[in-house]
Amino acid sequence: NAGVTQTPKFQVLKTGQSMTLQCAQDMNHNSMYWYRQDPGMGLRLIYYSASEGTTDKGEVPNGYNVSRLNKREFSLRLESAAPSQTSVYFCLTGHLNTEAFFGQGTRLTVV
Amino acid sequence: AQSVTQLDSHVSVSEGTPVLLRCNYSSSYSPSLFWYVQHPNKGLQLLLKYTSAATLVKGINGFEAEFKKSETSFHLTKPSAHMSDAAEYFCVVSDRADSWGKLQFGAGTQVVVTP
Repeated sequence: NAGVTQTPKFQVLKTGQSMTLQCAQDMNHNSMYWYRQDPGMGLRLIYYSASEGTTDKGEVPNGYNVSRLNKREFSLRLESAAPSQTSVYFCLTGHLNTEAFFGQGTRLTVV
Repeated sequence: AQSVTQLDSHVSVSEGTPVLLRCNYSSSYSPSLFWYVQHPNKGLQLLLKYTSAATLVKGINGFEAEFKKSETSFHLTKPSAHMSDAAEYFCVVSDRADSWGKLQFGAGTQVVVTP
């Protein structure tokens, strides 16, 4: 049981480079989320997907795009990375009234 | 829309003394509430959750929290702190009237435990 698998764990990018963070869950949940964690700010929602084929913006979507490829996979893309996107990124899945299940996180540094 | 406020950004306690982490929320009539813990360089682990059953919720590692609707609070307590409790703690609210269950995180409370 992998639960939520998030890759990569670490990444260093130069300003302007692009990358895609991958997330896959084997828990058969409809909802998947991408959050970023910054010191003193908790976790803030970037994008979410309530079900396969649907995505919507969260609190801090600027500079990101997402793709819900199928029920299992939800990817987050940075088209042109900026230093302000240096953060720890978490993929979550879960459903109403239950706990959220977290990926292990991606520590991204943009220089 | 829901929101959550953790009233203390840092809490310092001595080993063996009680721990109190305060959380206030705003939500619809029927929120779900959670406490998560994050140890340094680790992911988030669920401590406990409230989903409309008993208002006093017991979690792992001796933690418990009480849902008080009249005060819109969900404070986390532990009778006796252990060194391993040093971590960051997040209060989280989900609005069960929201069909897809977006989670709103508090800013976190850093707990320091001194010998």
